[in-house]
Amino acid sequence: AQRVTQPEKLLSVFKGAPVELKCNYSYSGSPELFWYVQYSRQRLQLLLRHISRESIKGFTADLNKGETSFHLKKPFAQEEDSAMYYCALQGNTDKLIFGTGTRLQVFP
Amino acid sequence: GAGVSQSPSNKVTEKGKDVELRCDPISGHTALYWYRQRLGQGLEFLIYFQGNSAPDKSGLPSDRFSAERTGESVSTLTIQRTQQEDSAVYLCASSAPLAGGYNEQFFGPGTRLTVL
Repeated sequence: AQRVTQPEKLLSVFKGAPVELKCNYSYSGSPELFWYVQYSRQRLQLLLRHISRESIKGFTADLNKGETSFHLKKPFAQEEDSAMYYCALQGNTDKLIFGTGTRLQVFP
Repeated sequence: GAGVSQSPSNKVTEKGKDVELRCDPISGHTALYWYRQRLGQGLEFLIYFQGNSAPDKSGLPSDRFSAERTGESVSTLTIQRTQQEDSAVYLCASSAPLAGGYNEQFFGPGTRLTVL
């Protein structure tokens, strides 16, 4: 079965602290993994995808096929990073399978 | 340009009534998706359109749910005989017809449905 698990509902850190939002997935083939973000009063939007291997707003995510993980990391959190973060998987169809989301709160 | 739009933004209805939710995708986007997000849960896939056809309806939770799309543009999600468990935010997304790989899905603002 296709599944995405985000074990943390809430992650609170202080500005400047490192952040790691966890994501594990279950899929029998080779999925594409994504992180979506929803800032307060804004739409859900793509943050990054594993294939592009790029850093967006200081965030990176590495696909670890052995651990079936795709954790999102940032070395120094900023207040404007506060948002809901969703990990998502795309298998052999176009639909996305989302995790339940993690709310990141960055305190000043 | 304009993004994905959805209407209404909020809908309150009584149990047993039918509701229609509308999605206007980005112009030129042939793929359209409906998702549902119930309180405290992740987004659940409902249905996917490629053009006017729906190759994947696997997420529709019951036969009370149906969707249609006309002319590769507007889509309507209809829920008949609404139940309280239908209360959720219904999100629509569209993507462009790029060949191969992943086509980024652009999301609308959602319709918050409350069934009393």
